[in-house]
Amino acid sequence: DGGITQSPKYLFRKEGQNVTLSCEQNLNHDAMYWYRQDPGQGLRLIYYSQIVNDFQKGDIAEGYSVSREKKESFPLTVTSAQKNPTAFYLCASSMVGQGSGYTFGSGTRLTVV
Amino acid sequence: GENVEQHPSTLSVQEGDSAVIKCTYSDSASNYFPWYKQELGKRPQLIIDIRSNVGEKKDQRIAVTLNKTAKHFSLHITETQPEDSAVYFCAASLGGGSNYKLTFGKGTLLTVNP
Repeated sequence: DGGITQSPKYLFRKEGQNVTLSCEQNLNHDAMYWYRQDPGQGLRLIYYSQIVNDFQKGDIAEGYSVSREKKESFPLTVTSAQKNPTAFYLCASSMVGQGSGYTFGSGTRLTVV
Repeated sequence: GENVEQHPSTLSVQEGDSAVIKCTYSDSASNYFPWYKQELGKRPQLIIDIRSNVGEKKDQRIAVTLNKTAKHFSLHITETQPEDSAVYFCAASLGGGSNYKLTFGKGTLLTVNP
């Protein structure tokens, strides 16, 4: 999967549950990102991280949490505080520097049931 | 922060025609402008990018132009084919230091009719 793997591909969440989406990369990229994609909304940034044990909020961080304990891994937890979690979630990675393109994972489609 | 506007939101062309998608950005310090193609249900993939020290870049049927004065950049696809049908996203980045993250436009759904 191009060096960045997201799992699971499909995820169903019950009301009030926390769920964690996995993202792993073997590209030796420093930076990792989580985006949410909704129809007509484009890609909206949730969280991003440049180095281990450090991350920053994006534009829509409320109701989400992340960790970066390893360079290769950047899991995203969708908490019960996120009131409208149904969406397509994309993880990406890149080098940090003078303009670097992203490599995206294949995405996780989360549905609240 | 950076704001990227993308037009049109949908574009329908006949096979063999050209397609043009335009984006504007707000931060004059932005210096890196990639374009991504996303087929239905798949991940976005980088198709071409341009940096601020270049005005135009071509790769076979795809070209990107940048006008830094006007703060806009465009994607041009010539001799379109049905497999070009997808959602295309433009993005901009300040680049360097902590300003490496991309801000995306909302996307253009391109349909190429056989």
